Amino acid sequence: DAGVTQSPTHLIKTRGQHVTLRCSPISGHKSVSWYQQVLGQGPQFIFQYYEKEERGRGNFPDRFSARQFPNYSSELNVNALLLGDSALYLCASSLTGTGVWDTEAFFGQGTRLTVV
Amino acid sequence: RKEVEQDPGPFNVPEGATVAFNCTYSNSASQSFFWYRQDCRKEPKLLMSVYSSGNEDGRFTAQLNRASQYISLLIRDSKLSDSATYLCVVTIDQTGANNLFFGTGTRLTVIP
Repeated sequence: DAGVTQSPTHLIKTRGQHVTLRCSPISGHKSVSWYQQVLGQGPQFIFQYYEKEERGRGNFPDRFSARQFPNYSSELNVNALLLGDSALYLCASSLTGTGVWDTEAFFGQGTRLTVV
Repeated sequence: RKEVEQDPGPFNVPEGATVAFNCTYSNSASQSFFWYRQDCRKEPKLLMSVYSSGNEDGRFTAQLNRASQYISLLIRDSKLSDSATYLCVVTIDQTGANNLFFGTGTRLTVIP
């Protein structure tokens, strides 16, 4: 059974460009969350989607947006890229996405974004 | 103020040693607690959940002190394969979302 898959694995973009990152959750998982991990730091929460609805949003600017599709896959979009957006972007899937955390979150291997 | 604070280390210990990591969290409404392990340039993976009663999984013991808002992880008889970054994680139920709050991670290197 496939785990969480993310694409692309690596990406280099120029300041001001736009980027779209993709995530496919584990089959049967309905919740997808996105995290940004800057070198030397722990992952920081960006968005959570459950059943195609946004359930939570972290402290990130409006340049960051996301959506979840009927097949529960998800896209993270970042506009007007800044050098500081260079990071590992992690997608996590879980079975449920409401209330108290009751199921394990499984992470994909991430997309390493470099903004030059 | 960060939701989760950890000593970033690094901790360099010989094989067979016992090592302890600590973490504090700021929000008393935090509901669930975990330790994740992250190998270099890999994704985080759940190591163990942390319960108020304390829990053990082989060489790993996790403790939670809600009154002090403190979480710990003890690794006994360290193996070379334990070398990784250990992330302290809490969840806070915010409007139905159950996002994870990560500490910066504590880096452990086990030396032969």
